[in-house]
Amino acid sequence: EAAVTQSPRNKVAVTGGKVTLSCNQTNNHNNMYWYRQDTGHGLRLIHYSYGAGSTEKGDIPDGYKASRPSQENFSLILELATPSQTSVYFCASGGRQAETLYFGSGTRLTVL
Amino acid sequence: GDSVTQTEGLVTVTEGLPVMLNCTYQTAYSDVAFFWYVQYLNEAPKLLLRSSTDNKRTEHQGFHATLHKSSSSFHLQKSSVQLSDSALYYCALNMATGGNNKLTFGQGTVLSVIP
Repeated sequence: EAAVTQSPRNKVAVTGGKVTLSCNQTNNHNNMYWYRQDTGHGLRLIHYSYGAGSTEKGDIPDGYKASRPSQENFSLILELATPSQTSVYFCASGGRQAETLYFGSGTRLTVL
Repeated sequence: GDSVTQTEGLVTVTEGLPVMLNCTYQTAYSDVAFFWYVQYLNEAPKLLLRSSTDNKRTEHQGFHATLHKSSSSFHLQKSSVQLSDSALYYCALNMATGGNNKLTFGQGTVLSVIP
């Protein structure tokens, strides 16, 4: 079974603070993704990457940055966190076109 | 751009009865793959089933879905639900060839199975 690990599992941050969410995958997948999950909106794509050194904007990138320093690691960065970014964040990895995505267990972020 | 619509936020069904979760889509592309993901409480979403062939029934874990390009639909069905089927279900689409490899998800439907 493919493995995607997110850290931390839970995070409380203050408005204006910097938050970094980390994701590691051992599947050797080229593609990695960050989604946020909100009731009524489903899973929305924030940033994604096709491989080490690449990042692409998803559908809702404003207020977020991403970093892919290696094949295994993909981080989501909130430089100035806001309460509207309170959500559950999922990282996922995937292989070739239209193949299955494997999700991590999620990070619950609360911005006060 | 591509979009996926799941009209029901919550579907409540009595154990043993059938269920259908609706999924419709809009895309400008003809070569597209469709997915149903399931997310149990406090777990990660995981693939339930996948299809890219028009009018072909796909089955997994007692659930089935048929892609109908004529009506732009990929509804999920089960003939007899179990309590353990209670979960959040997402419909999604992706380009099957070429283009960006990123899924577009619907809003999700919570299936609640009651005794």
